[in-house]
Amino acid sequence: KNQVEQSPQSLIILEGKNCTLQCNYTVSPFSNLRWYKQDTGRGPVSLTIMTFSENTKSNGRYTATLDADTKQSSLHITASQLSDSASYICVVRGLNDYKLSFGAGTTVTVRA
Amino acid sequence: KAGVTQTPRYLIKTRGQQVTLSCSPISGHRSVSWYQQTPGQGLQFLFEYFSETQRNKGNFPGRFSGRQFSNSRSEMNVSTLELGDSALYLCASSLELSTDTQYFGPGTRLTVL
Repeated sequence: KNQVEQSPQSLIILEGKNCTLQCNYTVSPFSNLRWYKQDTGRGPVSLTIMTFSENTKSNGRYTATLDADTKQSSLHITASQLSDSASYICVVRGLNDYKLSFGAGTTVTVRA
Repeated sequence: KAGVTQTPRYLIKTRGQQVTLSCSPISGHRSVSWYQQTPGQGLQFLFEYFSETQRNKGNFPGRFSGRQFSNSRSEMNVSTLELGDSALYLCASSLELSTDTQYFGPGTRLTVL
């Protein structure tokens, strides 16, 4: 079973609307949790990185939250733009072994 | 600073052949990681190097190997290619291993016929 589960698998939203992506993980203990954005045909780009002691981190219209107790993270996209159409990947790094566990990603499509 | 560069960008091989992919990290970065990405499996971790030492390895067969040089440049090699090895191979670099942000290269698209 994958140690990082993302939902939904895909979603379609209208331009200007908000959306929230979920990431549940079982990696424990963990060092940090990252969210990446990957445009089609390109390498992923880091959006946020949070350690276990951080609850929220923002990068422009992207806000990530982390609840280390429930092992859940979310990525909120505010006022979506067409350029937000991409795959969003949640990655958790283990604390002791430094291993990286990847979610399968959520594909977001923003329509005008 | 120049970003992470990967060569070649595209590659076509036939089953049974071997291939070597190259990655040049951002100047000053000491950690390099390799990933395989396929539509069905998503992003999968291959291995991670730091200061010429392999620090982590994913669940891939021994046909997949890599190394890192003293200048932090890294290569990965896949021997006895199989059709299922067709994928986008991504390299990422970071300053250190733990909390630093990883910067990804554009990837090498490998097609095995």
